[in-house]
Amino acid sequence: AQTVTQSQPEMSVQEAETVTLSCTYDTSENNYYLFWYKQPPSRQMILVIRQEAYKQQNATENRFSVNFQKAAKSFSLKISDSQLGDTAMYFCAFMKHGGGNTPLVFGKGTRLSVIA
Amino acid sequence: KAGVTQTPRYLIKTRGQQVTLSCSPISGHRSVSWYQQTPGQGLQFLFEYFSETQRNKGNFPGRFSGRQFSNSRSEMNVSTLELGDSALYLCASSLVSGKRYEQYFGPGTRLTVT
Repeated sequence: AQTVTQSQPEMSVQEAETVTLSCTYDTSENNYYLFWYKQPPSRQMILVIRQEAYKQQNATENRFSVNFQKAAKSFSLKISDSQLGDTAMYFCAFMKHGGGNTPLVFGKGTRLSVIA
Repeated sequence: KAGVTQTPRYLIKTRGQQVTLSCSPISGHRSVSWYQQTPGQGLQFLFEYFSETQRNKGNFPGRFSGRQFSNSRSEMNVSTLELGDSALYLCASSLVSGKRYEQYFGPGTRLTVT
């Protein structure tokens, strides 16, 4: 069974600064996806960024980037130029690549507060 | 393109009752997954339906069941409600085809059991 661990329950960052959220996972699978989801106080879960395990290049989406270390089973999220709207719960998630949709395994989340 | 819709958004039930939640996926998405979110247990997978068939199932008791209709809309049912069933129930609509992957979550249904 896969597990996802987010060791930082809460973090805060000043507006315009950079913050890194940590995530480690455990799996014996070789083909999988990793995700970061954002859940603002409105509760709608939004996909922030996705990484395919077979890709060595780290994924980037505007101000969001990841540091994917497959051997270390680490998948951190860096948010640059933090904005007040980035305040949310952030969940790291793992999905086995099974030819179709397979269940997401989530970490417990990191509550990020961006301070003006 | 319309997003994932879930109804109702809020629900209050008493112990022992049953409840049915509905999820309408994004047009063209044939896979619907359900997750339970609680402060204590976090996000846990309930089940996934694809083309009206349950394809994956999480570790929940038989009181939790679901189904999917030919138009891909899905319902989940919880019978004999317990206080511990109070949670946010999230539905995710997915399209997985080759290297194309899309998954969107609905706004959730907040269930309170008293």
